[in-house]
Amino acid sequence: DVKVTQSSRYLVKRTGEKVFLECVQDMDHENMFWYRQDPGLGLRLIYFSYDVKMKEKGDIPEGYSVSREKKERFSLILESASTNQTSMYLCASTLPRGTQYFGPGTRLTVL
Amino acid sequence: AQTVTQSQPEMSVQEAETVTLSCTYDTSESDYYLFWYKQPPSRQMILVIRQEAYKQQNATENRFSVNFQKAAKSFSLKISDSQLGDAAMYFCAYRSPLTGNQFYFGTGTSLTVIP
Repeated sequence: DVKVTQSSRYLVKRTGEKVFLECVQDMDHENMFWYRQDPGLGLRLIYFSYDVKMKEKGDIPEGYSVSREKKERFSLILESASTNQTSMYLCASTLPRGTQYFGPGTRLTVL
Repeated sequence: AQTVTQSQPEMSVQEAETVTLSCTYDTSESDYYLFWYKQPPSRQMILVIRQEAYKQQNATENRFSVNFQKAAKSFSLKISDSQLGDAAMYFCAYRSPLTGNQFYFGTGTSLTVIP
């Protein structure tokens, strides 16, 4: 079975802090994604990556950056966290024509 | 960008009954994939069923089946013999092989199963 793990289930940070959310997949998937999930808005794509060191902006990249130094790991970075970034963050991975598999999510609260 | 619309924010069904969740999408592509994902209260998103656009036969997985109407751009999910464990948020998703394999999600339908 594909396994996608995220570094934290719950995270509380203060405004202005730098926040790292990490995602690891164990199935050698080329594509990895970061979404944020908010009630009534569904999943919105922040960034995705086709391969190591490659990244593409999604629909809402402002205030976020990503890093993919190894194929199995895709990190989401909030350079200076703000209260409007309080949300559920979901990581996912997939083969190029395959099904998307999700991690358990990280509930981030920015105070 | 493709859009996926789930017009039913909330649905409820009596245990053992059948319920249908609606999904429509907008695309000009002919080759694509459609998915239904389930997100229980524990928050782990899991795949329920997938459909390849080139296949005319509707996908089925045990109690879950879809009604795929390509011309109408409709992709509904039918849950038969509903169980308490089916209570979750359900998301419809579209995947384009042409736009970098991005997935486009609807806003979700919250399904309540009444004992």
